[in-house]
Amino acid sequence: EVQLVESGGGLVQPGRSLRLSCAASGFTFDDYAMHWVRQAPGKGLEWVSGISWNSGSIGYADSVKGRFTISRDNAKNSLYLQMNSLRAEDTALYYCAKGGYSYGAHFDYWGQGTLVTVSS
Amino acid sequence: DIVMTQSPDSLAVSLGERATINCKSSQSVLYSSNNKNYLAWYQQKPGQPPKLLIYWASTRESGVPDRFSGSGSGTDFTLTISSLQAEDVAVYYCQQYYSTPRGFTFGPGTKVDIK
Repeated sequence: EVQLVESGGGLVQPGRSLRLSCAASGFTFDDYAMHWVRQAPGKGLEWVSGISWNSGSIGYADSVKGRFTISRDNAKNSLYLQMNSLRAEDTALYYCAKGGYSYGAHFDYWGQGTLVTVSS
Repeated sequence: DIVMTQSPDSLAVSLGERATINCKSSQSVLYSSNNKNYLAWYQQKPGQPPKLLIYWASTRESGVPDRFSGSGSGTDFTLTISSLQAEDVAVYYCQQYYSTPRGFTFGPGTKVDIK
């Protein structure tokens, strides 16, 4: 059974940093692209960042480019999102999602999310 | 960047009736080399993460009831629920995954309720 478990969320002041983690199990992690998607309270889905199986392809939404860094550790079956210079508008539930063999593919499994609140 | 729009914003349908949601991309998401439309549909129920329903515009994910179907090509797509059930109350999102590495944009969502 595929499981994606996010952690690392919390309350953080504007301008500070936070690192999210996603622990994956139930599939061959290093075969698949992985993504972060966020959802602000009461709003829609926003793709944040994605990374191919070998980290050869990485992308960011314009809203986070230069502030967030995605990475993965295939030996630990883990995905990460380093978030720096956080802003109030980064407040959201952050989901980890499993992509496809190729970077450009749909997301077939999602975690339950970890909540990030940016506030003073 | 490809912009995704959906219509309507919300709809209320009687149980057993058809629900139709439209999705439009600002440019084609049909990849000519493999003739695939890079378009997916997701269902999100309150308090839950999104669930994949349809990918490649018309391929139903394993375990998804056959009352859900996707159609369309290029820039115009449709998700149809042929006979609405109570458990289908949710927000539905389309997503394009054509313009990678950074383009996995979602539509704004369509809320489906029971009339």
